[in-house]
Amino acid sequence: AQSVAQPEDQVNVAEGNPLTVKCTYSVSGNPYLFWYVQYPNRGLQFLLKYITGDNLVKGSYGFEAEFNKSQTSFHLKKPSALVSDSALYFCAVRDMNYGGSQGNLIFGKGTKLSVKP
Amino acid sequence: DTGVSQDPRHKITKRGQNVTFRCDPISEHNRLYWYRQTLGQGPEFLTYFQNEAQLEKSRLLSDRFSAERPKGSFSTLEIQRTEQGDSAMYLCASSDTGTGLIYEQYFGPGTRLTVT
Repeated sequence: AQSVAQPEDQVNVAEGNPLTVKCTYSVSGNPYLFWYVQYPNRGLQFLLKYITGDNLVKGSYGFEAEFNKSQTSFHLKKPSALVSDSALYFCAVRDMNYGGSQGNLIFGKGTKLSVKP
Repeated sequence: DTGVSQDPRHKITKRGQNVTFRCDPISEHNRLYWYRQTLGQGPEFLTYFQNEAQLEKSRLLSDRFSAERPKGSFSTLEIQRTEQGDSAMYLCASSDTGTGLIYEQYFGPGTRLTVT
């Protein structure tokens, strides 16, 4: 079965320190991977995606993610965290069970990132 | 057009009542998705449309749920005979399409349903 796992419910980081939010996946075939961020009372905002090519993907707000095929991981990273980065982060993979080229997404449970001053 | 919009933002209803939610996608997007998100969980897929055609439905979408996109623009999601287990955030998303291309989905703010 296809799935996404975010092993940490919460990540605490001091402002200015690097942050990593972990994600692992299980799919058949090549994965199409996404990261979204959700602020309170707001919808999910797209951060970045991996489709093919360079394993290091750069996205919005200074975030980047590293695709590792051998470890089936797609960890979200940022070199220097900001207090304003505090939010709920979701990793997602495109569901390969459905047909067509634009299938729905399978999301992880989310990781709450807390950045303290 | 500034993004995906959803109406209402909040809905409180009594068990057994019918409710309808509306989603207006980004205007040039052909694909429209509905997801449901409960507390502490990631969004779960319900259904999606390409233009006016409903192409996929999740097993989560019981026969009390129906969705339409009559003119390929806005969409409605109706829940009949609501149950307390229907309480959740209902999210709408839209995306562009293109042969061989993988587009991200853009989400609306959601409609929070509370069934009492």
